[in-house]
Amino acid sequence: EAGVAQSPRYKIIEKRQSVAFWCNPISGHATLYWYQQILGQGPKLLIQFQNNGVVDDSQLPKDRFSAERLKGVDSTLKIQPAKLEDSAVYLCASSLRRPEAFFGQGTRLTVV
Amino acid sequence: GDSVTQMEGPVTLSEEAFLTINCTYTATGYPSLFWYVQYPGEGLQLLLKATKADDKGSNKGFEATYRKETTSFHLEKGSVQVSDSAVYFCALGEPDTDKLIFGTGTRLQVFP
Repeated sequence: EAGVAQSPRYKIIEKRQSVAFWCNPISGHATLYWYQQILGQGPKLLIQFQNNGVVDDSQLPKDRFSAERLKGVDSTLKIQPAKLEDSAVYLCASSLRRPEAFFGQGTRLTVV
Repeated sequence: GDSVTQMEGPVTLSEEAFLTINCTYTATGYPSLFWYVQYPGEGLQLLLKATKADDKGSNKGFEATYRKETTSFHLEKGSVQVSDSAVYFCALGEPDTDKLIFGTGTRLQVFP
């Protein structure tokens, strides 16, 4: 069974630029999560989708972050404009039976 | 709100030593409990889980028991290997929201 796919693996951008991350969940998983993991910390939930609807985006900085899940499958997370403090690993996860989640390898973002 | 507290690392052990990584939680209701492992440069992998009090999760020689009376879910392994070197995250699944709340992680280093 294929796992959660994410791209790109690494991204370096300058502050105030924009960036987008892509995620393809495990087939059949209705729930999709985006987490932010800052160096030395545990992952923090940014947004949770159930099919293509948002269940929880209370921790998403909506002035600069946006996310969508097209047709209840793939998802993109965008940051515009990026700040230095956005440097982190962005993890996508999917779930068949919540809250048990399966994670992708993540995208390491460096903002300089 | 709900939270997870893990012992600080790094935990440094010799090969074949006994491992304990402490994890305690604060939650309303009855959460599910998880241990995830993160190898260098990788995403999080589900290691084991327990869904109710007194359940024991086990996988790859690792074990953890859901202790409601002490609100704990300590990770143990009888004989660690160099290949077990990684960061270990304890997490709880909030009963109302089905989202995962992570601890800060504990780095394990095993030397030959």
